[in-house]
Amino acid sequence: EAGVAQSPRYKIIEKRQSVAFWCNPISGHATLYWYQQILGQGPKLLIQFQNNGVVDDSQLPKDRFSAERLKGVDSTLKIQPAKLEDSAVYLCASSQSPGTGRSYEQYFGPGTRLTVT
Amino acid sequence: DQQVKQNSPSLSVQEGRISILNCDYTNSMFDYFLWYKKYPAEGPTFLISISSIKDKNEDGRFTVFLNKSAKHLSLHIVPSQPGDSAVYFCAAKHGSSNTGKLIFGQGTTLQVKP
Repeated sequence: EAGVAQSPRYKIIEKRQSVAFWCNPISGHATLYWYQQILGQGPKLLIQFQNNGVVDDSQLPKDRFSAERLKGVDSTLKIQPAKLEDSAVYLCASSQSPGTGRSYEQYFGPGTRLTVT
Repeated sequence: DQQVKQNSPSLSVQEGRISILNCDYTNSMFDYFLWYKKYPAEGPTFLISISSIKDKNEDGRFTVFLNKSAKHLSLHIVPSQPGDSAVYFCAAKHGSSNTGKLIFGQGTTLQVKP
C-alpha cells in the first residue's frame, strides 16, 4: 500500500513570495490533515479536511495561508505572502473516516521543508 | 497552553538496556494517546497507541503505560537497539471532538549507543 506522498521535499523562497505544497493521501483515507512543524517543536495542526470539506481550520493563519482539497483526494496548501517565521516542515497526514476502525491513527508523509530567507 | 509535554529533550541509552520516554498531559478529556517515531528527513511514523480506558498496551519491544490519575504516560522500549535512535513524539486526541485532531508534545530525541 502506497503511503502519503508530498512534493516538493524542499523549497527555498524569499519573504513575500508565494509557495504551494501538494499532498496525495493514502488511498481510501477520507480525512486529510496539514501540520506545521517548527524546529524543536511537535507538529501543530493547521487544517483538517473530511472528504473535500473543512472540519477544523482554527489554527490556520487565514490572511496568508489557504488550502483546498478538490474531489476529496489530493490537497494543496498555499502561503502568500511568506514570512520568515513560516520556515518549518509542512507535514500532510491522512486517516480513515472518524468512527471507522482505528481512525485516530494518522499516517504522515515525508514533509516539505520550507526555508524563507 | 501546552496540553501535552515531553519534558526531556533528549535521552541516551546503551544498546540492550531499557529506554523510558515520558509524557505529561493536562486535559482529562483526552481519550487516545499515541506515540510516533521520527527519523531525520522523514515524516512521523505511528508506533503504538493506548485508549484512556486502559493502563497498558504492549506491542513487541514497545509498551505504553498510562497513569490517568497522574496524567502521565510512558513508552518503554526493551531491549533498546541502535535503530531505535530517533525523535519520539507523544500525541493525544480529545475525546469529545470527532475531528481526530492530535495534540503533540515537543518530542524527545533518543540515542541508543552500540
